[in-house]
Amino acid sequence: GAVVSQHPSWVICKSGTSVKIECRSLDFQATTMFWYRQFPKQSLMLMATSNEGSKATYEQGVEKDKFLINHASLTLSTLTVTSAHPEDSSFYICSARDRQSGRTETQYFGPGTRLLVL
Amino acid sequence: SQQGEEDPQALSIQEGENATMNCSYKTSINNLQWYRQNSGRGLVHLILIRSNEREKHSGRLRVTLDTSKKSSSLLITASRAADTASYFCATPAYSGAGSYQLTFGKGTKLSVIP
Repeated sequence: GAVVSQHPSWVICKSGTSVKIECRSLDFQATTMFWYRQFPKQSLMLMATSNEGSKATYEQGVEKDKFLINHASLTLSTLTVTSAHPEDSSFYICSARDRQSGRTETQYFGPGTRLLVL
Repeated sequence: SQQGEEDPQALSIQEGENATMNCSYKTSINNLQWYRQNSGRGLVHLILIRSNEREKHSGRLRVTLDTSKKSSSLLITASRAADTASYFCATPAYSGAGSYQLTFGKGTKLSVIP
């Protein structure tokens, strides 16, 4: 089946630093990748939609200058949290759609990255 | 705003019992999807049911869809401790140029007691 990986799985950083999270589709090409954040005991909230080779589309209320998304290839998207603050601490999850599969409506999710900003 | 709303928010059952979770949504949909999330992990796609389908099975999972009531249910039969997880329904929204995104409900936290 389609596998999506994320790296790192855990990151602890000091306030003011930047953190980069990678999302990779391991055995398929992803036309689109999505970035979500999830606070404890809450649902996933879509942050942005990332299409390969073009600018990401951000959801209302998500600062594009703070959450930089780069989708440089069909298998890799990165999310950089710039100048992270404690309120950015959350669980960040990426997902990808399979370009060639007929099941383009299904999203394959990465295992998530837990960010703790001290 | 959340498109899907799951009910109940939390469910605790004994192993071997059936678990039923419900999801309601507000706008017209092409399909509805159910996902599972183990604690602190990513989501796993369980099943997709299209708007012209009323019921779908996958192993111990049974999903129903009532478009007139804008609701769906997920039934897990003969539950196991390993089924302990949060379950989310999700509905797709399509915008221009083929753009597509999923909107997730708040989820039902299922606990299966051995």
